[in-house]
Amino acid sequence: AQKITQTQPGMFVQEKEAVTLDCTYDTSDQSYGLFWYKQPSSGEMIFLIYQGSYDEQNATEGRYSLNFQKARKSANLVISASQLGDSAMYFCAMREVLRYNQGGKLIFGQGTELSVKP
Amino acid sequence: SAVISQKPSRDICQRGTSLTIQCQVDSQVTMMFWYRQQPGQSLTLIATANQGSEATYESGFVIDKFPISRPNLTFSTLTVSNMSPEDSSIYLCSAGTSGHNEQFFGPGTRLTVL
Repeated sequence: AQKITQTQPGMFVQEKEAVTLDCTYDTSDQSYGLFWYKQPSSGEMIFLIYQGSYDEQNATEGRYSLNFQKARKSANLVISASQLGDSAMYFCAMREVLRYNQGGKLIFGQGTELSVKP
Repeated sequence: SAVISQKPSRDICQRGTSLTIQCQVDSQVTMMFWYRQQPGQSLTLIATANQGSEATYESGFVIDKFPISRPNLTFSTLTVSNMSPEDSSIYLCSAGTSGHNEQFFGPGTRLTVL
């Protein structure tokens, strides 16, 4: 069975510094996708970044990058130059392989609450 | 990217009543899902909304409690039936298209059951 583990319930970072949020996963599938979402206190889920299991390069989106280590089954999110607006809950998720337009459900980790200090 | 809207954004309901939540996507999507997020918890998938057929429910969720409709590729509804305080949660609609690496969420419906 697929599983996502986020071991950091809460993290603090100083404004303008970089922070790494950990995520490990477990799956027997060879093809899968890994996602990171940000959830501010308003409750909306904001898509940040995606990494495919066959992607050779680590994904990057602006200040977000994903440190993908396939052999270790980890997909850590790195936020560079933290801003006060980055304070939120962050969820790592895995999507099962898509077959014939079926599937695609996301399995979520427990989340990490990030607080950015001024 | 798809833009997803949900109605209502929040509601306070009495025990024993039912609430229907609507999800509208601004483009045709292959996949639509309904998730529940209980207070202080992560997201749990309720069901996959299948276009023109019965939804596929995850373990622990049943059609009588959470009937779902998806009449076309851009619209779905989730009903929370015979509500109890334990149903107080955020309910989120999600959509994506196979072949695309993004999966988006609606803004959520924050439900409180008294």
